[in-house]
Amino acid sequence: GNSVTQMEGPVTLSEEAFLTINCTYTATGYPSLFWYVQYPGEGLQLLLKATKADDKGSNKGFEATYRKETTSFHLEKGSVQVSDSAVYFCALTSSPSGGGNKLTFGTGTQLKVEL
Amino acid sequence: DTGVSQDPRHKITKRGQNVTFRCDPISEHNRLYWYRQTLGQGPEFLTYFQNEAQLEKSRLLSDRFSAERPKGSFSTLEIQRTEQGDSAMYLCASSPRVNPSYEQYFGPGTRLTVT
Repeated sequence: GNSVTQMEGPVTLSEEAFLTINCTYTATGYPSLFWYVQYPGEGLQLLLKATKADDKGSNKGFEATYRKETTSFHLEKGSVQVSDSAVYFCALTSSPSGGGNKLTFGTGTQLKVEL
Repeated sequence: DTGVSQDPRHKITKRGQNVTFRCDPISEHNRLYWYRQTLGQGPEFLTYFQNEAQLEKSRLLSDRFSAERPKGSFSTLEIQRTEQGDSAMYLCASSPRVNPSYEQYFGPGTRLTVT
């Protein structure tokens, strides 16, 4: 079955530090990969996505590259801000079964950015 | 901005009571998903609708859980005889029929506390 493993948190960084949150996956077929972010008290928001190998998803200074050879989709940002403090979820969906495409999520990584 | 909405946002109930949650997807999204998120974990898939048809159910969806989408628009999730283990955030998501990247749009969630 499908599974996602991401690094445990919390991750605490100083503002302007470099961020990496590791994510590896196991999936059947050819999954699409996602990073979702959950700010305190809010719902899940799609941060970025990649639908095939070697694609790079990017948004708001965050990037992640779909690496099929290492089954990884690590999230990076060159300079974090206090406003990036949130929980980050790596997720995937594989070829639809029955027409659907349920998401499989990792356990989430809490990021705290301090001044 | 008419995103996915969920009602209520919070629900506190006593063990053994029945509860019902509502989800209104983005208009014209024909696919609707329910997920459950417990503290410190990523969301887990519960069930999926395409229009009014419930096409997939997780083994997490016990007999006490039932979901409907009678007219292919809003959906309800009912939990009968609630147990303390049902305490969680219940998330709804929707996606359009044509969705090559399998992206899903999430609502703010309903937080259920069973006392």
